Amino acid sequence: QSVLTQPPSVSAAPGQKVTISCSGSSSNIENYSVSWYQQLPGTAPKLLIYEDNKRPSGIPDRFSGSKSGTSATLGITGLQTGDEADYYCGTWDTSLSGGVFGGGTKLTVL
Amino acid sequence: EVQLVESGGGLVQPGGSLRLSCAASGFAFNTYWMNWVRQGPGKGLVWVSRINSGGSSTNYADSVKGRFTISRDNAKNTLYLQMNSLRAEDTAVYYCARGSFSEGFRYWGQGSLVTVSS
Repeated sequence: QSVLTQPPSVSAAPGQKVTISCSGSSSNIENYSVSWYQQLPGTAPKLLIYEDNKRPSGIPDRFSGSKSGTSATLGITGLQTGDEADYYCGTWDTSLSGGVFGGGTKLTVL
Repeated sequence: EVQLVESGGGLVQPGGSLRLSCAASGFAFNTYWMNWVRQGPGKGLVWVSRINSGGSSTNYADSVKGRFTISRDNAKNTLYLQMNSLRAEDTAVYYCARGSFSEGFRYWGQGSLVTVSS
């Protein structure tokens, strides 16, 4: 069981918007920056969001991140079939003195 | 171009040892934190360990503490993970990743498969 809680799956139609939540606690999300990763089948993860809401160069502005208290959210607008992937949130946990990832959310674009 | 290339994975018996390497190129290796992240078959990402730029500070997940050792050779631009007392549950693809959680793991290797089985 992951320290960070994500919904196992979300789905939406092409062109629509979806949000993926990541719930933690005061020992992780509330006091540390959150990053988000996209993992396509059979490939290494790819950084989408860092420092809660910043996008690396090359990541389209369809992807956004936000944080409030002990929860973080990844938003994806204008869904495309190519967005079908697993998405993970990650952060540092001071109680564990270690990094933690959410369990992952599988996005299906119907 | 930033590249991270893992090697050293393979099949090992329970209780055995293995050392993974991650060869870095295309950036100033000696200025970045480095991490190991693993992913069991059909499972999610699990952070394993990290080491600071100079190699003087390390952290480990509870599941590997006392069995795994992370290290780096900045002269060779290489990150290592020494894995001892391996268990079936250590079976996973092991990725090396550059950076910290705050700045994000911007670069990842292609992964190295470790299978622990008799």
